[in-house]
Amino acid sequence: KAGVTQTPRYLIKTRGQQVTLSCSPISGHRSVSWYQQTPGQGLQFLFEYFSETQRNKGNFPGRFSGRQFSNSRSEMNVSTLELGDSALYLCASSLEGAAWETQYFGPGTRLLVL
Amino acid sequence: GENVEQHPSTLSVQEGDSAVIKCTYSDSASNYFPWYKQELGKGPQLIIDIRSNVGEKKDQRIAVTLNKTAKHFSLHITETQPEDSAVYFCAASSGNEKLTFGTGTRLTIIP
Repeated sequence: KAGVTQTPRYLIKTRGQQVTLSCSPISGHRSVSWYQQTPGQGLQFLFEYFSETQRNKGNFPGRFSGRQFSNSRSEMNVSTLELGDSALYLCASSLEGAAWETQYFGPGTRLLVL
Repeated sequence: GENVEQHPSTLSVQEGDSAVIKCTYSDSASNYFPWYKQELGKGPQLIIDIRSNVGEKKDQRIAVTLNKTAKHFSLHITETQPEDSAVYFCAASSGNEKLTFGTGTRLTIIP
């Protein structure tokens, strides 16, 4: 089975722009979660989607949003980018999204905001 | 919400020696504790996990112990090898709560 894929792998944007990141989960997985990873804050949960619905949300401002399509692929969007949004954005998929299920992570999208 | 503390932040051990990484959690309702390994340029990968009804779990050179009373759990790697060099994250969750991760430990194996 193919693993979780994320595109693009690297991205450079300037402050004020917006960005869309894409995640394709493992085939058959219906839950997709997004995380932000930074040296200072570690891995922080952004949100989780299941069957095209946002089921859980972390403590991030409304500039961070996402969606999930009927094929379980997911996108996240960050509007009005700030320097502090520079990070590695990871997506993880699991079968049903239960807290005790193994989450399989993609390689991440590294975003640099200038 | 849950808070997970992880120590040490960096750890260097001689090849062949053992490495121990410790985590504490705050929510007594937490019942699932996975450990992830993240290599350079890759996403985290699950290496072992433990549920609250078990005190210890082993998988070859890797073991995890859980002390529910003290609310801490540890990762033990024996006979360390160069390929064990990576960043390791602990995490905890309860019920429908999502995973809360520790801040990571950068493990370096010295040949």
